[in-house]
Amino acid sequence: DAGVIQSPRHEVTEMGQEVTLRCKPISGHNSLFWYRQTMMRGLELLIYFNNNVPIDDSGMPEDRFSAKMPNASFSTLKIQPSEPRDSAVYFCASSRQGIDYEQYFGPGTRLTVT
Amino acid sequence: QKEVEQNSGPLSVPEGAIASLNCTYSDRGSQSFFWYRQYSGKSPELIMSIYSNGDKEDGRFTAQLNKASQYVSLLIRDSQPSDSATYLCAVNSGGYQKVTFGTGTKLQVIP
Repeated sequence: DAGVIQSPRHEVTEMGQEVTLRCKPISGHNSLFWYRQTMMRGLELLIYFNNNVPIDDSGMPEDRFSAKMPNASFSTLKIQPSEPRDSAVYFCASSRQGIDYEQYFGPGTRLTVT
Repeated sequence: QKEVEQNSGPLSVPEGAIASLNCTYSDRGSQSFFWYRQYSGKSPELIMSIYSNGDKEDGRFTAQLNKASQYVSLLIRDSQPSDSATYLCAVNSGGYQKVTFGTGTKLQVIP
């Protein structure tokens, strides 16, 4: 089975530009998570969806960040406008509803905002 | 108080020794506990899950859970240089699928 797929793997953009990160969860998984990882703050949960519905977006840093999940196989995280402090690795993870709660991570998108 | 706490390390052990990684959590209602391994520049990889008190063994890895004391640990037997990585503890504190991650412990296995 294919794992979680993320694109692009690397993104370099200038401050003020719009950035869109994409994620395809594992087939059959009904929960999807967006994380951000930096050296300073570690792994932070930004938002998660259950059955395509946003459940908790309290980790989204500010209004410049938005996330959507239009169907069970696709999600986007958008930053507009981007700022240098948004530079980080963004991970998408998915899990299957049940008692196990095991999350499986994609390879991540390394974002650099200059 | 952080929800999930780990010593950041680095924890250095000689090759062949047992590495012991510890994690404490604050929510007594937590039910599910995980250990992830993250190599530098890579994504976290799930290596162990544990749901009930006691030990769970998988190859060279043993996860230990003590809910009364609110700690979970990971033992790596016969440590290898390839085990050198950051190990993240994660805890499910109820409510859908959300888990909380610790900041990770960096393990260095010295040949």
